[in-house]
Amino acid sequence: IAGITQAPTSQILAAGRRMTLRCTQDMRHNAMYWYRQDLGLGLRLIHYSNTAGTTGKGEVPDGYSVSRANTDDFPLTLASAVPSQTSVYFCASSYDSEGGEQFFGPGTRLTVL
Amino acid sequence: GQNIDQPTEMTATEGAIVQINCTYQTSGFNGLFWYQQHAGEAPTFLSYNVLDGLEEKGRFSSFLSRSKGYSYLLLKELQMKDSASYLCAVRDGDYKLSFGAGTTVTVRA
Repeated sequence: IAGITQAPTSQILAAGRRMTLRCTQDMRHNAMYWYRQDLGLGLRLIHYSNTAGTTGKGEVPDGYSVSRANTDDFPLTLASAVPSQTSVYFCASSYDSEGGEQFFGPGTRLTVL
Repeated sequence: GQNIDQPTEMTATEGAIVQINCTYQTSGFNGLFWYQQHAGEAPTFLSYNVLDGLEEKGRFSSFLSRSKGYSYLLLKELQMKDSASYLCAVRDGDYKLSFGAGTTVTVRA
């Protein structure tokens, strides 16, 4: 693994189903983030984690949950998907929460029908 | 909330120069980033400004004026591969990044 990986690449999901998007980084970065990107709105922060064991809410957290059991993994869960959660989801990481740029994963394209 | 504005689209000719402006109003300021994003791909880091002035990195330069809440990204000697979306992002007082909607640059031969 080099950098950040996300899985799946794309997914079509029925409304009401539970879904977990996976994110793994091998750069030993302390901070990790989940964004969604929608046309005309830019990237919006869903949840973040400044270090393993801690998480926080971003701009649009409703309907999403995260966990950070270790440094490398930061999964995003949709407990009961709704069509408005159709989006492209990007995971990102940075060395720490206060310095340096964020590195982005390749994204997951999610469609909720 | 944060407010970050940049033009939606710009078109320029190969070899020319294009300047993408970004204005922002945020709760606190801890730096401004520019990212490049090709269609269907992840954003990649281009530049970072935290102090006023110009940062030059090859064909790309970025300028910041904190008192005016203003930045620009200058792309020189445009190449076809520069056709992409350019994202302005501000790190606020809580060290969270807020992104503009992005500027799509189309380079024509």
